[in-house]
Amino acid sequence: EEQLVESGGGLVQPGGSLRLSCAASGFTLSNYEVNWVRQAPGKGLEWVSYISSSGSTKYYADSVKGRFSISRDNNNDSVFLHMDSLRAEDTATYYCAREGPYQVLFTLWGQGTQATVSS
Amino acid sequence: EIVLTQSPGTLSLSPGESATLSCRASQSVRSNYLAWYQQRPGQTPRLLLFSASTRATGIPDRFTGSGSGTDFTLIISSLEPEDFAVYYCQHYGSILLGTFGQGTKVEI
Repeated sequence: EEQLVESGGGLVQPGGSLRLSCAASGFTLSNYEVNWVRQAPGKGLEWVSYISSSGSTKYYADSVKGRFSISRDNNNDSVFLHMDSLRAEDTATYYCAREGPYQVLFTLWGQGTQATVSS
Repeated sequence: EIVLTQSPGTLSLSPGESATLSCRASQSVRSNYLAWYQQRPGQTPRLLLFSASTRATGIPDRFTGSGSGTDFTLIISSLEPEDFAVYYCQHYGSILLGTFGQGTKVEI
């Protein structure tokens, strides 16, 4: 069975940092474009970031540009989201999502990891 | 930026009834690149339909999508207990377009 597994969430103070990880089982993640999508408590879905299969192309939502950085390690079949200068409004469940066959069409989602920004 | 507006916000129905969900775009959706996702309570979203009407793998045929241009509809015929969830529409095909609607909750 194909699965995505996120990790790395937790409680952090405003201005702090977190590094989220996304790993795959049942398929080779390095063959796919990957996105991060977040969902604030009781709210809808918000696209956050995209990385191409090679890692050469990256995009960010305006709300996180300059603070978040997406990367991948294809040797270890993982994708990361490094989040700096965190704000209360970044509190959310963060999902990694596999894309295809169209850009930002999400065919497989992970179970999510919770990031809470609070003092 | 295309804005997707879903209606109604909440649908209160009983098992066996049909649900009609609407998604309206502020501009025409190119190539009918419109997807629907389902999110059951406490669960991760899953892709239901893409290209407005094509069911994803494993999605039962009681889920039917239609529409073009700016108006799209998801019909769930004969609701099963597991269909009570939040449904999101999404315009895909480009990073600039990957926005979601605000969601419609289908509740008992």
